[in-house]
Amino acid sequence: SQQGEEDPQALSIQEGENATMNCSYKTSINNLQWYRQNSGRGLVHLILIRSNEREKHSGRLRVTLDTSKKSSSLLITASRAADTASYFCATDARGSARQLTFGSGTQLTVLP
Amino acid sequence: GAGVSQTPSNKVTEKGKYVELRCDPISGHTALYWYRQSLGQGPEFLIYFQGTGAADDSGLPNDRFFAVRPEGSVSTLKIQRTERGDSAVYLCASSLYGDGNYGYTFGSGTRLTVV
Repeated sequence: SQQGEEDPQALSIQEGENATMNCSYKTSINNLQWYRQNSGRGLVHLILIRSNEREKHSGRLRVTLDTSKKSSSLLITASRAADTASYFCATDARGSARQLTFGSGTQLTVLP
Repeated sequence: GAGVSQTPSNKVTEKGKYVELRCDPISGHTALYWYRQSLGQGPEFLIYFQGTGAADDSGLPNDRFFAVRPEGSVSTLKIQRTERGDSAVYLCASSLYGDGNYGYTFGSGTRLTVV
């Protein structure tokens, strides 16, 4: 079953604009991770934020976590055509033997 | 190796046949995971190995699915009596310790098509 739900399901923006994707989840977590997937094959780990953290940055990526609302957001600044991909949030839930549960993803298209 | 290697990259099999999918994780990674992904969906958990043992196999859909990791490195996912509904991309991932402090490194997956 899918723990997280990403919003929106699809997002189309112009190169240079910022892209924001949201994720909601259901249970208490140890951490939340974001992944990118190109062409429906392997996923690439982008960033991990722990349950006691509220914000984290990595390059053009900014992730926030609100455990009271059970939600997270991923912001990609100054988007590029190469950022076109599907983005998934995944939660490492407490008591889950460390298996990640993925959402259904946001398909981001960055137009040149 | 430098990354997680999965073979074959594509597999077409007839309904009712047996298939084996192989995963070669990053050297030294103790945790290994199998996921299954259908078109337009996120990956769904199948099984998690810590070392040689299956720490959590709660995601295996039924007893036609089985996975092994006999030496704590390479893993094989085995599917008996394949059905058309088994068609999906099967993803393998590894992580350094499986303690939740590290992200996963995924392989490129095996696309299984059951005809």
